[in-house]
Amino acid sequence: EAQVTQNPRYLITVTGKKLTVTCSQNMNHEYMSWYRQDPGLGLRQIYYSMNVEVTDKGDVPEGYKVSRKEKRNFPLILESPSPNQTSLYFCASFGAGLSYNEQFFGPGTRLTVL
Amino acid sequence: GEDVEQSLFLSVREGDSSVINCTYTDSSSTYLYWYKQEPGAGLQLLTYIFSNMDMKQDQRLTVLLNKKDKHLSLRIADTQTGDSAIYFCAVISGNTGKLIFGQGTTLQVKP
Repeated sequence: EAQVTQNPRYLITVTGKKLTVTCSQNMNHEYMSWYRQDPGLGLRQIYYSMNVEVTDKGDVPEGYKVSRKEKRNFPLILESPSPNQTSLYFCASFGAGLSYNEQFFGPGTRLTVL
Repeated sequence: GEDVEQSLFLSVREGDSSVINCTYTDSSSTYLYWYKQEPGAGLQLLTYIFSNMDMKQDQRLTVLLNKKDKHLSLRIADTQTGDSAIYFCAVISGNTGKLIFGQGTTLQVKP
């Protein structure tokens, strides 16, 4: 079954404690992306990756890092989380060329930073 | 910068049609999308339309695109309680190739 998996699904942490949210896809897609969802703001892109070892900033990259060492995995790293990073995070992978008509979103990670 | 706007809430009665609207600013957008997000779940791509099309129909869903007014709509015929969800529109920026999302419209379907 084609899917994007994220772990953990829920996380409560404290300010400054480094954390990683994992994301994995099994569609062999080249394009992967991280978004955060906040009420009234929709989804905003944090980082994206067009291929292995190729990553780029989205609209709200401050406070986040990513890596793409292999095609299937695209972890999101918060080196020193702060309360304003409390949000719902989605990883997504995209295929089928320019139309992106193959889009798969992970189930989300709800992060609370105290 | 590029922007996508949606109204935040729509309430309809079961069996009625729902129309969710979206406006965007980037006239060079190539593909436009509609997603459904059920509680506690990720986004599910419902349908998409290419910018040279005016309409696309897929079972109970009809997408209308007015390029001149930069207006996109999603019509759900015979709305059911299972259609209750948040609906997002998104466009691909012609400049950056990025997906730009609207704020999402919460659809409430009353029995």
